[in-house]
Amino acid sequence: GNSVTQMEGPVTLSEEAFLTINCTYTATGYPSLFWYVQYPGEGLQLLLKATKADDKGSNKGFEATYRKETTSFHLEKGSVQVSDSAVYFCALINTQGGSEKLVFGKGTKLT
Amino acid sequence: NAGVTQTPKFQVLKTGQSMTLQCAQDMNHEYMSWYRQDPGMGLRLIHYSVGAGITDQGEVPNGYNVSRSTTEDFPLRLLSAAPSQTSVYFCATQPWDRGDEQYFGPGTRLTVT
Repeated sequence: GNSVTQMEGPVTLSEEAFLTINCTYTATGYPSLFWYVQYPGEGLQLLLKATKADDKGSNKGFEATYRKETTSFHLEKGSVQVSDSAVYFCALINTQGGSEKLVFGKGTKLT
Repeated sequence: NAGVTQTPKFQVLKTGQSMTLQCAQDMNHEYMSWYRQDPGMGLRLIHYSVGAGITDQGEVPNGYNVSRSTTEDFPLRLLSAAPSQTSVYFCATQPWDRGDEQYFGPGTRLTVT
């Protein structure tokens, strides 16, 4: 089946530090990959996405590259800010078989 | 354009009580879904609907009921609340053919004592 595994948190960084949150996936075919962010007390917002191998999604200084060879979609940011404190979720949609359901990782809290 | 709205924001129930969590959207999206979010578990799909009159079960449907009589509304019913249903509940919508465009509501925090 489809699944997403992301690094366990919490992750605590100083301002301007480099951020990496690892995400790997299991899926047949060619899923679309996403990172969602949840700020304290709010719902989830789409941060970035990539729909095919070698695509790079980027937004608000965050980047992630769809690596099919390593089945990974790691989230990176060169210089984090206090305002980036949130929970980050990696997710996939695999439309093979007609399913459009998002599958989420367990989330990584960044402080 | 309010997007996806959920009510109430907070709710406390006693074991055995019933209640309905409301979800409404004004984006004319066919696809709506309910998730629950628990610490260390990520989001898990409870039920979803691909259009008015059509619903289906997700990963954790037990103890929950849904119906979809209109495109705009997708209420989630707890028939007999249990402490295991203490969670944060999120409603989400998407256009039918755009699985990469999910929009989430602000959530309902439910505590069952």
